[in-house]
Amino acid sequence: QQQVKQSPQSLIVQKGGIPIINCAYENTAFDYFPWYQQFPGKGPALLIAIRPDVSEKKEGRFTISFNKSAKQFSLHIMDSQPGDSATYFCAAAHGYALNFGKGTSLLVTP
Amino acid sequence: NAGVTQTPKFQVLKTGQSMTLQCAQDMNHNSMYWYRQDPGMGLRLIYYSASEGTTDKGEVPNGYNVSRLNKREFSLRLESAAPSQTSVYFCASSEKGTTSYGANVLTFGAGSRLTVL
Repeated sequence: QQQVKQSPQSLIVQKGGIPIINCAYENTAFDYFPWYQQFPGKGPALLIAIRPDVSEKKEGRFTISFNKSAKQFSLHIMDSQPGDSATYFCAAAHGYALNFGKGTSLLVTP
Repeated sequence: NAGVTQTPKFQVLKTGQSMTLQCAQDMNHNSMYWYRQDPGMGLRLIYYSASEGTTDKGEVPNGYNVSRLNKREFSLRLESAAPSQTSVYFCASSEKGTTSYGANVLTFGAGSRLTVL
C-alpha cells in the first residue's frame, strides 16, 4: 500500500514556467517531508525538506507548501530551467524509513 | 569523497542464481538502507540497518537477505534470483542513529542495475 501518493506522473513545462508537483499522505505520525531529485543514471539526492510545524519553505527557486490539515504538500519550481529536467520524488518519514511517492518525471523545454 | 559506493553497477543473472550486491559508505553514517526502483513504482525499501549489528525489514523484503558487516558496509543478497527481482537497486546511508532525533537525510549511491532472465 502506497503511503504517499504523488501526482502528476509526468509534467512538461516551458522554460520560465512554474511546475507544481503534489503529494498526499494518510499517516499522521509522519514528521518529516523531503523532496528528492534524480537525474538519469544517478541516485536520488535531497533537494529540500519541511517539518509539519511550518506551512512553507523556500530554498532558491524551490518551494515546499505544506497543508497539515489536508495532509498534503507540494513542490513548486520557480523560473524553471531545462537543467531542472529530472524525476522528483516526495517522501514522508517517521523514524528511519522514508516512504517515497512514485515519482514525477519533469521536462522543461527551452 | 566517494560517499556511497555500490558494486557491481550492472549484473545479468539467470533465474535461480544467487548474487550479492555490495555497498560501502565513507561518511561514518550510522544507518544504511537498500531500496529498489521500478518504473512507475518509485523507491521501495527492502531492508535497513539503523546501526551496526541491527537489521530490519522494509516494505518489500521477500527474496532478499542483508548483512551489516561493519559500520561502513551493508550487503544485499539474492539467494535464488527471480525475474521479478529485475530492478535498479540503490543503497543509501544516513547519519541518523538509534538515539538521535532529527531529519533523516539519505545519501544514495549511483545504483546497481540487475536483470534476471
